Amino acid sequence: EAGVTQFPSHSVIEKGQTVTLRCDPISGHDNLYWYRRVMGKEIKFLLHFVKESKQDESGMPNNRFLAERTGGTYSTLKVQPAELEDSGVYFCASSQERGPTGADSPLHFGNGTRLTVT
Amino acid sequence: KNEVEQSPQNLTAQEGEFITINCSYSVGISALHWLQQHPGGGIVSLFMLSSGKKKHGRLLATINIQEKHSSLHITASHPRDSAVYICAVRSNTGNQFYFGTGTSLTVIP
Repeated sequence: EAGVTQFPSHSVIEKGQTVTLRCDPISGHDNLYWYRRVMGKEIKFLLHFVKESKQDESGMPNNRFLAERTGGTYSTLKVQPAELEDSGVYFCASSQERGPTGADSPLHFGNGTRLTVT
Repeated sequence: KNEVEQSPQNLTAQEGEFITINCSYSVGISALHWLQQHPGGGIVSLFMLSSGKKKHGRLLATINIQEKHSSLHITASHPRDSAVYICAVRSNTGNQFYFGTGTSLTVIP
């Protein structure tokens, strides 16, 4: 099966510009997560979609970040306007729906988008 | 304080050595994941476990739920094992994942 794909792999933009990151999860995976890693720090959760609904967006840093998952397939994460502190690697992950007993499904990660804001 | 703590942060080993990476967490979890990230590469899920242990090739992951601790062991380490190993836990009170800062492993030939 095709894995989680993210586009672009790298993006360099100037402060104040807009950038849109895209994530295509594995087909059939209802759960889609966005994470980011800023330099030298641990990976932080941003938000979680179940199909097209935002299940948890408590990790979104501020209202400059907007995530969508129209149709419950691919997702986009827009940063507008970008600030210097937004630089980092943005990861997307997907997993199947939890089983009837609530058992977890493995996470599948994309290769990430390295965002540099200058 | 991070919900997930890993040790050591950096580890250098000679090829063939036995390696242990530790992970402690402070939240209730439904599952713990061990992830691997090669330099410049994406993240690969190595193990997902909620109890006991799992083995895959030279890798063994164990978890002690009562002590909120997990270990990743690598037997007969090889230079291709050089990567960052990340421990992540899924909270049992929601869908949040918490990540450790990672352990950077370098295996020298």
